[in-house]
Amino acid sequence: GNSVTQMEGPVTLSEEAFLTINCTYTATGYPSLFWYVQYPGEGLQLLLKATKADDKGSNKGFEATYRKETTSFHLEKGSVQVSDSAVYFCALMDSSYKLIFGSGTRLLVRP
Amino acid sequence: EAGVAQSPRYKIIEKRQSVAFWCNPISGHATLYWYQQILGQGPKLLIQFQNNGVVDDSQLPKDRFSAERLKGVDSTLKIQPAKLEDSAVYLCASSLGGETSAPQHFGDGTRLSIL
Repeated sequence: GNSVTQMEGPVTLSEEAFLTINCTYTATGYPSLFWYVQYPGEGLQLLLKATKADDKGSNKGFEATYRKETTSFHLEKGSVQVSDSAVYFCALMDSSYKLIFGSGTRLLVRP
Repeated sequence: EAGVAQSPRYKIIEKRQSVAFWCNPISGHATLYWYQQILGQGPKLLIQFQNNGVVDDSQLPKDRFSAERLKGVDSTLKIQPAKLEDSAVYLCASSLGGETSAPQHFGDGTRLSIL
């Protein structure tokens, strides 16, 4: 079945450090891929998405590239801020428009 | 535009009691989803509506959970009777639907604690 695997957290970084959060997926066909972010006490917000192989999604300095050959969609940011502290979820959308989420990765950014 | 509205934000009940959650999706969104998010895990889909019809309820524990979307807009999710394992955040989401890449927009959720 379809599934998403994320690196376990927490990931703790100093401000202005480089961020990578790994995400790999298992799916039939070529699903759309998403990154969502969840701030404390809030719902999930769409961060970025990619709908086909080699697409790069980007938003607010975050980027992720849809890699079909490695079935990956790693999230990156060149310089994190304290305000980026949150939980990040990788997800795929299957053929019935259902989102399947990874378990989430908590990011803590220290001043 | 107004986002997805959910109420209440928090609910504490004892096991075997009943509880209901309400969701108002973004105006014009045909598809509505209810997710269960257990602490430390990603959201898991419980039920998906397209207008007022059920598209997928394969993960809904139907012996205790029920959901409806009578007029194709607002939706309610009910648990009766609640179990300790139902402690979670219940998230509602909506989307325009009709295409694979249409993003889902989430409400802030209802945090349910079962004593």
